[in-house]
Amino acid sequence: EAGVVQSPRYKIIEKKQPVAFWCNPISGHNTLYWYRQNLGQGPELLIRYENEEAVDDSQLPKDRFSAERLKGVDSTLKIQPAELGDSAVYLCASNPRGGEQFFGPGTRLTVL
Amino acid sequence: GDSVTQMEGPVTLSEEACLTINCTYTATGYPSLFWYVQYPGEGLQLLLKATKADDKGSNKGFEATYRKETTSFHLEKGSVQVSDSAVYFCALSPLYNNNDMRFGAGTRLTVKP
Repeated sequence: EAGVVQSPRYKIIEKKQPVAFWCNPISGHNTLYWYRQNLGQGPELLIRYENEEAVDDSQLPKDRFSAERLKGVDSTLKIQPAELGDSAVYLCASNPRGGEQFFGPGTRLTVL
Repeated sequence: GDSVTQMEGPVTLSEEACLTINCTYTATGYPSLFWYVQYPGEGLQLLLKATKADDKGSNKGFEATYRKETTSFHLEKGSVQVSDSAVYFCALSPLYNNNDMRFGAGTRLTVKP
């Protein structure tokens, strides 16, 4: 069974540029999570989807971050414009419904 | 709110040494508790879990026991290997929302031959 797929694995951009990350969860997993992991820290939730509905986006900085999961399968997270403080690893995870979460390898973003 | 606190690293051990990484939690009721491991360049993967008091989770020689008296879930291994070098995260999922996962800051373990 394929795991959670994320792309790109690495991205380097200059501040004020836009950037997008893509995630394809494990087949059949209804719940999808986006996390941000700052250097030396644990993951922090940005947004959670149940199918195509964003059910928890309270920690998503909505002035510059947006996300979508149009068909309830894969998802895109966007930052526009990026700031220096956005440098981090962006992790996607999924599960069928609660409990253990299955993580992708992450996208390491560097904003210069 | 519900949270976990784990011992700060980094931790450096020689091969075959004993490992303990401390984790304590603050929560309403009895959450589910987890240890995740992150190998270099990879995402987090579940190492073990416990869902109720006195449960012991175990996997790959690692163990952790859910202690409600001390609100702890310490990770232990009797004899570490070089391949155990990774970052270990303690996490909890609140009783009232099993979609919510709260992570500790992580502890980096390096095992030297």
